[in-house]
Amino acid sequence: AQSVTQLDSQVPVFEEAPVELRCNYSSSVSVYLFWYVQYPNQGLQLLLKYLSGSTLVKGINGFEAEFNKSQTSIHLRKPSVHISDTAEYFCAVRVTGGGNKLTFGTGTQLKVEL
Amino acid sequence: KAGVTQTPRYLIKTRGQQVTLSCSPISGHRSVSWYQQTPGQGLQFLFEYFSETQRNKGNFPGRFSGRQFSNSRSEMNVSTLELGDSALYLCASSLAYESQGGSPLHFGNGTRLTVT
Repeated sequence: AQSVTQLDSQVPVFEEAPVELRCNYSSSVSVYLFWYVQYPNQGLQLLLKYLSGSTLVKGINGFEAEFNKSQTSIHLRKPSVHISDTAEYFCAVRVTGGGNKLTFGTGTQLKVEL
Repeated sequence: KAGVTQTPRYLIKTRGQQVTLSCSPISGHRSVSWYQQTPGQGLQFLFEYFSETQRNKGNFPGRFSGRQFSNSRSEMNVSTLELGDSALYLCASSLAYESQGGSPLHFGNGTRLTVT
C-alpha cells in the first residue's frame, strides 16, 4: 500500500517570501508523484508531476519541486509567493501499472499575508 | 476544450434518500474517477471507470455505486444516505486507464452534497 504524509497542515508566509511545502511518501513499488492545488469552492488543478529523470521539476505558476529518492520526498517550492497563491496544496502518488487511482496526502493550507 | 463538468454543484438531501451525481469528462477522455473529500478523511478514492467497466474500487460500502456510459459520461449513486456522506464529490478524467507517462487527472469543480 502507498501512503503520503504532508508534514505541515498550515503554512503562513508573507507575500514575496519563499515557501516550501513538504511531502514524504511510502511505497513498495514504483510511483508517479503529483502536486495539486485547490482554491476555495473549486476542484483540484495540477501544479506539476514527477515521473522520472531530473529531480527538479518545473510546474505552473512559478512552482517547482525537488524529488529525493533516498528520502522518498518531493517538496514543493516557490521563490516568491503572491496573495493569489493562498490555497490548499495536495501531494499525491499513483502506482505505475495501477490505473489512475491517486493516493492523496492530507493537504497543506498555504496562507499568504501582506 | 471544455473541462470536466459535474452536475449539480450543490445538493441537499435527507437521511435515507438516494442521490445521483453526474460527470461529463473532457472530450476524448475515456477514464473517469470519483473521489470523496471531507474535512475529516481528506480525499478518498471511490472508483474508476474505463470503457464502461469499473477498473478500480476504493474502500467504501456498497451503498456507493457508479457507472459509465458509452460516451464516457459517468454517474455515481449513493443510496440510503447517512449524515456522514456529506462531502464534496469530485470527478476526474484522464485519457486512458493505464496512462503511460503519467498522464494526469483533470478534476471537475465537484458536487457539494449535504445530508440533513
